[in-house]
Amino acid sequence: DQQVKQNSPSLSVQEGRISILNCDYTNSMFDYFLWYKKYPAEGPTFLISISSIKDKNEDGRFTVFLNKSAKHLSLHIVPSQPGDSAVYFCAASANLLNSGGGADGLTFGKGTHLIIQP
Amino acid sequence: DAMVIQNPRYQVTQFGKPVTLSCSQTLNHNVMYWYQQKSSQAPKLLFHYYDKDFNNEADTPDNFQSRRPNTSFCFLDIRSPGLGDAAMYLCATSRDRGGRQFFGPGTRLTVL
Repeated sequence: DQQVKQNSPSLSVQEGRISILNCDYTNSMFDYFLWYKKYPAEGPTFLISISSIKDKNEDGRFTVFLNKSAKHLSLHIVPSQPGDSAVYFCAASANLLNSGGGADGLTFGKGTHLIIQP
Repeated sequence: DAMVIQNPRYQVTQFGKPVTLSCSQTLNHNVMYWYQQKSSQAPKLLFHYYDKDFNNEADTPDNFQSRRPNTSFCFLDIRSPGLGDAAMYLCATSRDRGGRQFFGPGTRLTVL
């Protein structure tokens, strides 16, 4: 029973174009969403996050969009660069805003392998 | 640099032989987590410590135990590893519950 789903195992994008990675979730209690980037032989590194009170958060080339009614979020990378080639994980947590403390751990998707073609 | 360190990076053990994985942090974070990630799967939370308070996920097998002797260190003990326990084990920390977590590089466990 996957509560966070990344339905595209891989995505290939040309350098300089926009990369769009998608994530869907089923748990209505999730109120904080994060994207992590992972290179081979390294741990996931935090990229960008968004709380459920917002619908967009931007940080440089990275923008995350949240559509709560559709339980969908997406990560946009523009322009895409060769160093962006990595596995991207979508993650979610529950009750961060409501309780002030947050629930236990993160629920991850399976990841999308982004390949930037030169 | 403040960071999360995992040792060893690669661990090979025999079926049924106890093994301990180590995690340390210089971030002085209150919470430490252990995740298991099998090939092409999502990282799955095993348990976490909020300070000295241990919180086990309901579906974490009894074979997996953890210790946190102080703020900086947390250990994952696998009492009798089976072939199905071969995976990447990720340690993470956060200042408080929820929110952004900082991950170590992981320990890849092989069970022969």
